Amino acid sequence: QQQVKQSPQSLIVQKGGISIINCAYENTAFDYFPWYQQFPGKGPALLIAIRPDVSEKKEGRFTISFNKSAKQFSLHIMDSQPGDSATYFCAPSKAAGNKLTFGGGTRVLVKP
Amino acid sequence: DAGITQSPRHKVTETGTPVTLRCHQTENHRYMYWYRQDPGHGLRLIHYSYGVKDTDKGEVSDGYSVSRSKTEDFLLTLESATSSQTSVYFCAISESGTGYYEQYFGPGTRLTVT
Repeated sequence: QQQVKQSPQSLIVQKGGISIINCAYENTAFDYFPWYQQFPGKGPALLIAIRPDVSEKKEGRFTISFNKSAKQFSLHIMDSQPGDSATYFCAPSKAAGNKLTFGGGTRVLVKP
Repeated sequence: DAGITQSPRHKVTETGTPVTLRCHQTENHRYMYWYRQDPGHGLRLIHYSYGVKDTDKGEVSDGYSVSRSKTEDFLLTLESATSSQTSVYFCAISESGTGYYEQYFGPGTRLTVT
C-alpha cells in the first residue's frame, strides 16, 4: 500500500532555476508535513516543515506549498544552486506518534 | 551534527548469520528509531523505542529484533540474515514521540548479505 507518492523521481535543473517536487498522500490523519534533504553518504536532515493550518511556508530559497483538499504538498527550491544537489524526501506523519512515512525520494541535480 | 553514531559503518556477512547493528546517542533523547533505505522506497521504519526496554514494531519489522537496555543505545539484530536485508540502515532520535519534533538521523550502516 503506497501511502505517500513523490514525483518526479529525478530532476535536472540549471543553476538559478526552480526545482519543484510534489508529494501526494492518502492518510487524512497526517498533520505534519516535512521535507528531508539527504546528501550522498549521509543521513537525511530536516529541511523545512509545515503544519496543516497554513498553506505556505518559506525559509530562504525553500518554500512548502500545502493543499489539504488535494492531499498534496510540494517543495519549491528557488534560485537552485549546485550545493542543492541532493535527494529530497517528503515524510508526512501524525504528530501523535511521530512516525514518519517517507516518499520514494527525488534526486535533484543542479548543473552549474 | 546531532550526537549519533552507528557501528559498524559497513558490514558484509553471509546468509544465515546473525548480525547486530548499534546506534549510540549522546543527546539523552527518549525516542530512537531504526529505518532501512532501499532505492525507490525511501526510508521505511523497522522498529522504534519510546524508552528503556520499551519498543514497538514499524512497517517492515519481520526478521528484525531490537533491544534498548540504556537510554543511549539502541540495538538492531538480524537473527538470520537474508539477501533481502541487504540495505542501508539508519538510526534516528527525537526528543518526543508526540508533537512536531524533528528526527535526527545517524550516518548509516551499509549492510551487504551475500
